[in-house]
Amino acid sequence: GENVEQHPSTLSVQEGDSAVIKCTYSDSASNYFPWYKQELGKRPQLIIDIRSNVGEKKDQRIAVTLNKTAKHFSLHITETQPEDSAVYFCAANAISGANSKLTFGKGITLSVRP
Amino acid sequence: DVKVTQSSRYLVKRTGEKVFLECVQDMDHENMFWYRQDPGLGLRLIYFSYDVKMKEKGDIPEGYSVSREKKERFSLILESASTNQTSMYLCASSTNRGPTYNEQFFGPGTRLTVL
Repeated sequence: GENVEQHPSTLSVQEGDSAVIKCTYSDSASNYFPWYKQELGKRPQLIIDIRSNVGEKKDQRIAVTLNKTAKHFSLHITETQPEDSAVYFCAANAISGANSKLTFGKGITLSVRP
Repeated sequence: DVKVTQSSRYLVKRTGEKVFLECVQDMDHENMFWYRQDPGLGLRLIYFSYDVKMKEKGDIPEGYSVSREKKERFSLILESASTNQTSMYLCASSTNRGPTYNEQFFGPGTRLTVL
């Protein structure tokens, strides 16, 4: 099955700096790669996703890049703000027949220092 | 907006009790999922369902069962709760159609404590 690894487990940056979070996946058939943000005490929410037919997607301060050959994808946050502090999960879909489930990484805790 | 609701935010049960966690979604999604979330372990899939009365085991199904009698409702059952099932349980749903296909929408979670 699909295996998604996420490193490091914690990341601390100064406000205004950029943060990059990387994930690797194992199943070359995966074609959907979402990133979820979970603030303390709240549910995970999708912040950006990318499908395998594109290499990069951007939405304001966040972007995701995908390297299918190397089987890794990264989340880039520019001009970080304290409200970016949260746990971020990457995921990849695992296709089983006609159905698709997501396999999540273990999550990274991002702390933005004011 | 997709709404995924869970029956309880907090639940305290005793070892050996039968526990039901309910999840309801209002967007006519085909797929529904149950995860447990533990510190340092991320989101681990317990069971999922891609149609009414259909279910598939996830990565950690032991000690759990599920029921999906209606499309909008997916129940997680702990037949005999044990202390190692103390965790945050998250329900999610997704569709195979339209621009949001594959995206999973999460419920608020149920914090279960088994004493």
